[in-house]
Amino acid sequence: GAVVSQHPSRVICKSGTSVKIECRSLDFQATTMFWYRQFPKQSLMLMATSNEGSKATYEQGVEKDKFLINHASLTLSTLTVTSAHPEDSSFYICSAREHSGADTQYFGPGTRLTVL
Amino acid sequence: SQKIEQNSEALNIQEGKTATLTCNYTNYSPAYLQWYRQDPGRGPVFLLLIRENEKEKRKERLKVTFDTTLKQSLFHITASQPADSATYLCALDPGSARQLTFGSGTQLTVLP
Repeated sequence: GAVVSQHPSRVICKSGTSVKIECRSLDFQATTMFWYRQFPKQSLMLMATSNEGSKATYEQGVEKDKFLINHASLTLSTLTVTSAHPEDSSFYICSAREHSGADTQYFGPGTRLTVL
Repeated sequence: SQKIEQNSEALNIQEGKTATLTCNYTNYSPAYLQWYRQDPGRGPVFLLLIRENEKEKRKERLKVTFDTTLKQSLFHITASQPADSATYLCALDPGSARQLTFGSGTQLTVLP
């Protein structure tokens, strides 16, 4: 099946710094990628939808200036958490749908962000 | 507003029994419904997708039913094994490559 990778898998940073998370579709082209965050024992909450070559669409309550998303190619989307604070500590997961429009959404393994 | 609920935050069953997980939704008419497995500290892994015009779908020991009248999906794991222990998420899919809406998940523990 299709594979989505995320890098890094874990990151610890100091408050006020910025952190970039990469999401790659390894063996398929993804017109659309999605970014989620998940708090312990809670479900995935969609943050934004990222379309290749255009601006991301953010969900209500998600600050676009704080969570910068760039979908530069059909296989790569990045999420940058700017000026991170401890409350940004969470599990960030990306997913991608195949360019062909298939129904299945493939998820990355997630990135655990801890802001000290 | 649309709402999706997975009954039972946690479910414990004995090895060899059939686990049945429930997903109910309101104010929504999904084109598809998807089920995922998530292990601690990992991203969700796709298991099964069922379309609105399908009643039942099977894959090995897994079976999913979809009742659009009741607005409910049931997810069954037969002959359960300790390795099946994980959190299972259902997700509503409006189709057309739009985003999924996830339930809160059911944590399944299969006891040896």
